[in-house]
Amino acid sequence: KAGVTQTPRYLIKTRGQQVTLSCSPISGHRSVSWYQQTPGQGLQFLFEYFSETQRNKGNFPGRFSGRQFSNSRSEMNVSTLELGDSALYLCASSFAGIDDEQFFGPGTRLTVL
Amino acid sequence: AQKVTQAQTEISVVEKEDVTLDCVYETRDTTYYLFWYKQPPSGELVFLIRRNSFDEQNEISGRYSWNFQKSTSSFNFTITASQVVDSAVYFCALSEAGTNAGKSTFGDGTTLTVKP
Repeated sequence: KAGVTQTPRYLIKTRGQQVTLSCSPISGHRSVSWYQQTPGQGLQFLFEYFSETQRNKGNFPGRFSGRQFSNSRSEMNVSTLELGDSALYLCASSFAGIDDEQFFGPGTRLTVL
Repeated sequence: AQKVTQAQTEISVVEKEDVTLDCVYETRDTTYYLFWYKQPPSGELVFLIRRNSFDEQNEISGRYSWNFQKSTSSFNFTITASQVVDSAVYFCALSEAGTNAGKSTFGDGTTLTVKP
């Protein structure tokens, strides 16, 4: 059974640009959650999608958005990038949601210059 | 508001020693879930255990054991006879299912180094 995949694995952008990250969940999982991991703030919950609907959202500005497609694949978008957005972005999938066992992908390392 | 505190930032032990990682949580909900995850140097978080607030039974899985105590709001994790491969960052997490449902909170993590 294939695990959670995230693309790209590494990304370098400059301030003001926008970026789209992709996550393919484990087959059969309908929930996809996104997290931001930084040395200063730790692991922070961004949002969760379930069956193409955003079900839960963390405390991040509107520059952070996402969507989920009918095949459960999810994308996360960050607009008007700031230096502080440099982080490891992790995607996790599960059957039922964030209350369930989550399977994490390897992450996308975003560097904003 | 929910909060997870892992007071131990770093722990270093010698192989075969037992080690306990502490986790203290805060929540106003009566229904919630607690988790432990392991993040090895490769970076990918690995699920270790999930516990709901109504199940205070301790659990043992091989060399791993978990002690859940609602009275002290703690969910501690013990590794018995530690091995070098246990070296990783360990995260405790909380997910509320009541009025604050839909939020997932992680502790800052404890970096465990097991020396040969």
